[in-house]
Amino acid sequence: QKEVEQDPGPLSVPEGAIVSLNCTYSNSAFQYFMWYRQYSRKGPELLMYTYSSGNKEDGRFTAQVDKSSKYISLFIRDSQPSDSATYLCANGGSQGNLIFGKGTKLSVKP
Amino acid sequence: GAGVSQSPRYKVAKRGQDVALRCDPISGHVSLFWYQQALGQGPEFLTYFQNEAQLDKSGLPSDRFFAERPEGSVSTLKIQRTQQEDSAVYLCASSLPPTSGSRDTQYFGPGTRLTVL
Repeated sequence: QKEVEQDPGPLSVPEGAIVSLNCTYSNSAFQYFMWYRQYSRKGPELLMYTYSSGNKEDGRFTAQVDKSSKYISLFIRDSQPSDSATYLCANGGSQGNLIFGKGTKLSVKP
Repeated sequence: GAGVSQSPRYKVAKRGQDVALRCDPISGHVSLFWYQQALGQGPEFLTYFQNEAQLDKSGLPSDRFFAERPEGSVSTLKIQRTQQEDSAVYLCASSLPPTSGSRDTQYFGPGTRLTVL
């Protein structure tokens, strides 16, 4: 079983929709949870980073971590065509490498 | 403020050739990571340096893969006798060392897309 599981999609939504992206993880030792966005032919860029359970909000983006069920989510409100990208969840310890999910490809249609 | 740069951006190799991929991390970043990203997959860890010390190479898939960072800045990932299954995007990331109670962000380069024919 891969340590971080993520539905690869693709996911297609109309502009303005609320998007929900989800991952599960298996290694409880990893305390840091990230969401990266990757545009085609570019490197991943960090969107959100959380350490504890609960919600973290940044503009249109909300990251949610539920450590009891080992479930992490990213919500995008008022989605825009420019949000079309692959979204990667990742987790890791206090240092060292990250463990990534497969990524979910999102397309926001105007 | 330059980000992480990688060269070449694209590399085509014939099976059996050796290749060398370069990463220039953000100035002052102590930690450097190499990841391999196959088509339709997330990045998978290859190896990790702190300054010039290679602290973890557990992700290198075979002894054909070798990485170095001799002066603690630029790093090179070398693949000997390339095989078709080595075709992937090779990503480099750098970060500052973690401070107490936090984890520093890994900043990724654009990657080198390797195609082995």
